[in-house]
Amino acid sequence: GQNIDQPTEMTATEGAIVQINCTYQTSGFNGLFWYQQHAGEAPTFLSYNVLDGLEEKGRFSSFLSRSKGYSYLLLKELQMKDSASYLCAVKGTYKYIFGTGTRLKVLA
Amino acid sequence: SAVISQKPSRDICQRGTSLTIQCQVDSQVTMMFWYRQQPGQSLTLIATANQGSEATYESGFVIDKFPISRPNLTFSTLTVSNMSPEDSSIYLCSVEVTGDEQYFGPGTRLTVT
Repeated sequence: GQNIDQPTEMTATEGAIVQINCTYQTSGFNGLFWYQQHAGEAPTFLSYNVLDGLEEKGRFSSFLSRSKGYSYLLLKELQMKDSASYLCAVKGTYKYIFGTGTRLKVLA
Repeated sequence: SAVISQKPSRDICQRGTSLTIQCQVDSQVTMMFWYRQQPGQSLTLIATANQGSEATYESGFVIDKFPISRPNLTFSTLTVSNMSPEDSSIYLCSVEVTGDEQYFGPGTRLTVT
């Protein structure tokens, strides 16, 4: 079967670092994606990994280990505006499969 | 990147009626996707719509209930037919532009009474 797991909720403090993990089991793999979704809005693209290793984009980094079926999104210097849901998605052979999302609350 | 618009942005409909949602992209794209997102949940793929071919539906979704049109490379419609309260959800279209990124429309918030 196909399965993507993420923690349901996380809480962190403004200025801190948070790591959101994602494990997956899918048939076919053409990349792992992270999206941010604020309440009431559409998801927006954050990062993409197709090869093992770390991709850095400003305050956001994403890591992938294909052999372990594992990825994480790292958010540094957290800001209040980072409070949102973070969706992990795997691109299979012809479609994207989304995880259930992690709701991140950033506290002052 | 791609700019995607959806119409309507929201609607309240009576059970038994149908609603057609439009998705317009500012550039030509091959692959378009239709998703449903129920409150507090993640995205569920309804179907993949490629221009010039029949839409491919995911398990649990059928063409009679969710007919899709894809007349050209910039436009698609999704119809939610014979609606029931269980169809109340946000419906999102998305496109794959480069193979690396997927862009989403703003969504259509549907409430069925």
